[in-house]
Amino acid sequence: DQQVKQNSPSLSVQEGRISILNCDYTNSMFDYFLWYKKYPAEGPTFLISISSIKDKNEDGRFTVFLNKSAKHLSLHIVPSQPGDSAVYFCAARRNTDKLIFGTGTRLQVFP
Amino acid sequence: DAGITQSPRHKVTETGTPVTLRCHQTENHRYMYWYRQDPGHGLRLIHYSYGVKDTDKGEVSDGYSVSRSKTEDFLLTLESATSSQTSVYFCAIKGLLGELFFGEGSRLTVL
Repeated sequence: DQQVKQNSPSLSVQEGRISILNCDYTNSMFDYFLWYKKYPAEGPTFLISISSIKDKNEDGRFTVFLNKSAKHLSLHIVPSQPGDSAVYFCAARRNTDKLIFGTGTRLQVFP
Repeated sequence: DAGITQSPRHKVTETGTPVTLRCHQTENHRYMYWYRQDPGHGLRLIHYSYGVKDTDKGEVSDGYSVSRSKTEDFLLTLESATSSQTSVYFCAIKGLLGELFFGEGSRLTVL
């Protein structure tokens, strides 16, 4: 039972445009959501997070949106840069419980 | 840099042999985790520890055991490796906000 789903395995975006990565979850008890970025041969690195009491959190070029009624969150990257090419994982947890990760979306930003 | 070191970084072994992966942290974090990353599955939790000698199972714990005899070291053991355990293994520690910081990974190939 996949509680956190990333239905798009890959996404290709032109440099300078917006990248939108999507994530759906099934457990309405999740109260904290995170995005991680992973380059090849490296460990995942924390990117941005959002609490369920908010619907938006912004950090520079990265913005995460949370739609609780739809059980959906998205990561917007504006403007996209070639260095953003990586695999992005969304993750969720309930209270201080363990993080549940999605399957990842590979983003390619081309010139 | 979260001060996490994984060893070995790469290992090739044969089916049926025991394998131990080591995770070492330098910042006295209480919580430590072992994940595996596989295509189409994202990051899945194997075992975690919430203190010295305190460990618990994750979602894919079968075939794995762990030990934590001191705060800084968390060992993952495959008693008898199988080809299905070919994967990239990541150790993680828990930050103040509940986010995880990952090591660089250990790539294990079981022939």
